[in-house]
Amino acid sequence: AQTVTQSQPEMSVQEAETVTLSCTYDTSESDYYLFWYKQPPSRQMILVIRQEAYKQQNATENRFSVNFQKAAKSFSLKISDSQLGDAAMYFCAFYSGGSNYKLTFGKGTLLTVNP
Amino acid sequence: EAGVAQSPRYKIIEKRQSVAFWCNPISGHATLYWYQQILGQGPKLLIQFQNNGVVDDSQLPKDRFSAERLKGVDSTLKIQPAKLEDSAVYLCASSSTAQSSYNEQFFGPGTRLTVL
Repeated sequence: AQTVTQSQPEMSVQEAETVTLSCTYDTSESDYYLFWYKQPPSRQMILVIRQEAYKQQNATENRFSVNFQKAAKSFSLKISDSQLGDAAMYFCAFYSGGSNYKLTFGKGTLLTVNP
Repeated sequence: EAGVAQSPRYKIIEKRQSVAFWCNPISGHATLYWYQQILGQGPKLLIQFQNNGVVDDSQLPKDRFSAERLKGVDSTLKIQPAKLEDSAVYLCASSSTAQSSYNEQFFGPGTRLTVL
């Protein structure tokens, strides 16, 4: 079974600074997807960024980028120029056919942004 | 485009009572998911529907949880009888299809259930 581990229960960053959230996963699959979701206090899960495992290039969405290390099974999220609105729970998630096409989530990292 | 709708947003019940949650997915989305998110954890899939058929309910506690998706649109998740450990946020999500490739799952705002 696939597992997703987020080793940082909480992180904090100063506004306008950069922060990196860590995620590791375990799978025997070669074709899969990885995601970072944001869950603000409103509870609605919002997709931040997605990475296909077959792509070597790291995904980027505006201030959000990932460092995908397939051999190391590591998938970190970098948030640049942090804003107050970035404060939320961040979940790393895994998806593949081997997991019956369902999302497996980590336990999450609570990000605080200090003004 | 309207998002995934869920109701109620909050529910407080006594243990051994029953409760039902409702989800209306994005129009045209064939796949619907119910997740349970216990405080301090990530969401865990309870059941997945493709149209009105069940694709995966391997993690649904079938002795007390049931779900249906009549006519392949709205869905209802029921707990009967509720236990203290059922206190959680119940998230509904939908996507345009499933299997063989990824299609983004869109989540609703969730229902926060407290069992006293």
